[in-house]
Amino acid sequence: DSGVTQTPKHLITATGQRVTLRCSPRSGDLSVYWYQQSLDQGLQFLIQYYNGEERAKGNILERFSAQQFPDLHSELNLSSLELGDSALYFCASSLAGGRGTDTQYFGPGTRLTVL
Amino acid sequence: AQSVTQPDIHITVSEGASLELRCNYSYGATPYLFWYVQSPGQGLQLLLKYFSGDTLVQGIKGFEAEFKRSQSSFNLRKPSVHWSDAAEYFCAVGISGYSTLTFGKGTMLLVSP
Repeated sequence: DSGVTQTPKHLITATGQRVTLRCSPRSGDLSVYWYQQSLDQGLQFLIQYYNGEERAKGNILERFSAQQFPDLHSELNLSSLELGDSALYFCASSLAGGRGTDTQYFGPGTRLTVL
Repeated sequence: AQSVTQPDIHITVSEGASLELRCNYSYGATPYLFWYVQSPGQGLQLLLKYFSGDTLVQGIKGFEAEFKRSQSSFNLRKPSVHWSDAAEYFCAVGISGYSTLTFGKGTMLLVSP
């Protein structure tokens, strides 16, 4: 158990809908990262928040957004969903936010299925 | 931009045999290198990491990896594989000043009896 929690575990929805994925980091960690894992693209970094502020952005679509709240939990919002958004979404957390040496601890993921 | 290549999509190893999973990276300076393992239905677990110093690093579960700058490689090894090692293995690279990681596509390890 990494200490990172993600809810829900599974989510099934229809095209055009909007969903929210939730992540609670390990106690004491200030950074939260979101990743998308799909069969064709592999594990892709989406976005990072550090202590409530956006720190880095990766291959995140404009239909997707995220935020980190004062209690440091984070939410990833996916809107106007398409079939291709079906994937496993991981959250990870780390103690700090600007060093390549930070170890990222991953949650169990949320499996999103768009029908 | 940095990139990571894991040339083997699948590898099958007999239980008790040795294992080597390949990882090549592309980055101009010395990268930070990581190996993660993902068991079915689980998140990623860190096996080991290399930042600097001794190029042979030891990790959990009996794994080790060797950083070879001349070959831009960071191969993962284990002397004797157990059935419980069957999982997907990911190599990742980080760079100084940034926390984000770039992952390889992964290698699926199958262990035969």
